[in-house]
Amino acid sequence: DQQVKQNSPSLSVQEGRISILNCDYTNSMFDYFLWYKKYPAEGPTFLISISSIKDKNEDGRFTVFLNKSAMHLSLHIVPSQPGDSAVYFCASTHGSQGNLIFGKGTKLSVKP
Amino acid sequence: DAGVTQSPTHLIKTRGQQVTLRCSPKSGHDTVSWYQQALGQGPQFIFQYYEEEERQRGNFPDRFSGHQFPNYSSELNVNALLLGDSALYLCASSPDQGLNTEAFFGQGTRLTVV
Repeated sequence: DQQVKQNSPSLSVQEGRISILNCDYTNSMFDYFLWYKKYPAEGPTFLISISSIKDKNEDGRFTVFLNKSAMHLSLHIVPSQPGDSAVYFCASTHGSQGNLIFGKGTKLSVKP
Repeated sequence: DAGVTQSPTHLIKTRGQQVTLRCSPKSGHDTVSWYQQALGQGPQFIFQYYEEEERQRGNFPDRFSGHQFPNYSSELNVNALLLGDSALYLCASSPDQGLNTEAFFGQGTRLTVV
């Protein structure tokens, strides 16, 4: 049973617009959430994280929102750029040092 | 700093054979984790090594084993290969007790079992 779900396999957005990637989790013990970006032939790269004691974390163009009651998080990218085109993975863990549980990923395409 | 390096980058093996994958962690990191990423799936945790011992293990059979050397580098061994073992194997390193945000991934080894 998947504990971390990314229900949209792909997303296409116009350059300059907002990209919203969604993630749901089913394990109430998860208290730390991360987003990774992966380009072809490269390993995943950490993007942004959020602890369950917060509901929002912002880093430049990237903002992660956490809705604990809905067990849902989302990543907003504003404005989207063609270089953002990649596969984005949502990951969750119990404690900031636990092993990561990943979703299946969402492939984002940002068109010029 | 070379970051996390994995070798080989690609590998083809026959069903029933054994394979060894290698990982050199980022400088200053002493903890190594291994993940398996099957096609169309997210990475799945296999195990983690620290101080040359397996510290955590995911839901993988005993055919998957590992080792960590005194210089913190690590090997992943898979015995009796199955077709379903075909995947991208990712190594991640982090400083001990470091946050997962400090984990760096290598580019992976693409294993194909035929």
